[in-house]
Amino acid sequence: AQSVSQHNHHVILSEAASLELGCNYSYGGTVNLFWYVQYPGQHLQLLLKYFSGDPLVKGIKGFEAEFIKSKFSFNLRKPSVQWSDTAEYFCAVILPHSSASKIIFGSGTRLSIRP
Amino acid sequence: DAGVTQSPTHLIKTRGQQVTLRCSPISGHKSVSWYQQVLGQGPQFIFQYYEKEERGRGNFPDRFSARQFPNYSSELNVNALLLGDSALYLCASHGGGSNYEQYFGPGTRLTVT
Repeated sequence: AQSVSQHNHHVILSEAASLELGCNYSYGGTVNLFWYVQYPGQHLQLLLKYFSGDPLVKGIKGFEAEFIKSKFSFNLRKPSVQWSDTAEYFCAVILPHSSASKIIFGSGTRLSIRP
Repeated sequence: DAGVTQSPTHLIKTRGQQVTLRCSPISGHKSVSWYQQVLGQGPQFIFQYYEKEERGRGNFPDRFSARQFPNYSSELNVNALLLGDSALYLCASHGGGSNYEQYFGPGTRLTVT
């Protein structure tokens, strides 16, 4: 079955530190990839997405992610985190041409930023 | 423009009862999906509806059902509630097409006691 793995369950960083959250998926064909963020008490929001083209995609709030097809990975990065980045981050995939736009989410990574 | 709205915000039910959750998509969006998010896990796909027809179903028992109305709003029904049904139920809407971008509502927190 298709799955999405996020190996870091909880990451704690100090402000201004660099961030990299890992994401791997298990599907051999073309996929559409996403990172969603859930700030405390708020809705799930889309951070960035990759469908095709440049494997380095930029999202909102200074986040970026790199798609590496050979590694089945789509890691999220930010050069310098802020306290306001404290949130839960979810990697997700959609299999194109499926009959439903079913998003398959990873289990999430909780990011805590020390002021 | 209003985003995706869901009601109620919170709900407490006892085992064996039935519950109905409601969702209104973004204006102009014809597709609604439902997800269950258990504490500490990512959301799990339950259903997708497009133009009032079921387009997809996740690995959930028949106790879970849904429907979509002519105005594209949707209801999720869960019968014979179990303790394990306690979760945040999320609704997402999208306009269809190939961009796959879905917009999530705030969710309904269901607690089964």
